[in-house]
Amino acid sequence: GESVGLHLPTLSVQEGDNSIINCAYSNSASDYFIWYKQESGKGPQFIIDIRSNMDKRQGQRVTVLLNKTVKHLSLQIAATQPGDSAVYFCAENSGNTPLVFGKGTRLSVIA
Amino acid sequence: EAGVAQSPRYKIIEKRQSVAFWCNPISGHATLYWYQQILGQGPKLLIQFQNNGVVDDSQLPKDRFSAERLKGVDSTLKIQPAKLEDSAVYLCASSEQGNTEAFFGQGTRLTVV
Repeated sequence: GESVGLHLPTLSVQEGDNSIINCAYSNSASDYFIWYKQESGKGPQFIIDIRSNMDKRQGQRVTVLLNKTVKHLSLQIAATQPGDSAVYFCAENSGNTPLVFGKGTRLSVIA
Repeated sequence: EAGVAQSPRYKIIEKRQSVAFWCNPISGHATLYWYQQILGQGPKLLIQFQNNGVVDDSQLPKDRFSAERLKGVDSTLKIQPAKLEDSAVYLCASSEQGNTEAFFGQGTRLTVV
């Protein structure tokens, strides 16, 4: 079946630098995308979402970019901080279908 | 606003025993999900409810797993009998409707020995 996946399993970033986490999806019908952050021992926490009628959405220190042509999603974190260290998941759905999660990228921030 | 509540936080059982998890979603959220997250992997959907009706249970191992949401609010997930490979974190999430942000609880970590 169709699935959502991530390009890189781990990412190490120097504190203060920008981070970019990538995600590829295969379901062309997907119209809603979410980035979640999951810290050890906790449930996934919503970061930012974007719908398919948009290319870019910005939040506080985070930006999500959506390229529907190549079915690619990215999460940019500005001025990465130690508290950003976690596993990041992209998830997608269409209509009322359940959220499908990718495998996750572990972000490690080097102080 | 209170978040999604789950209990227990941890559970250790022997294989072939039964276990039940409880979830109280955010008030007013019609959609409730149960996900299984095996260590090192992303959450995998087990079942989705819309109010008290099942929307999707295609990935629920129905020979041993069952879930209900009788009054359209709280939900329970049961495993009977448990297998070693059921060791995972069981996450409950809720959303206002199907294609909006889903909020997750802290999960129940199940260890089957």
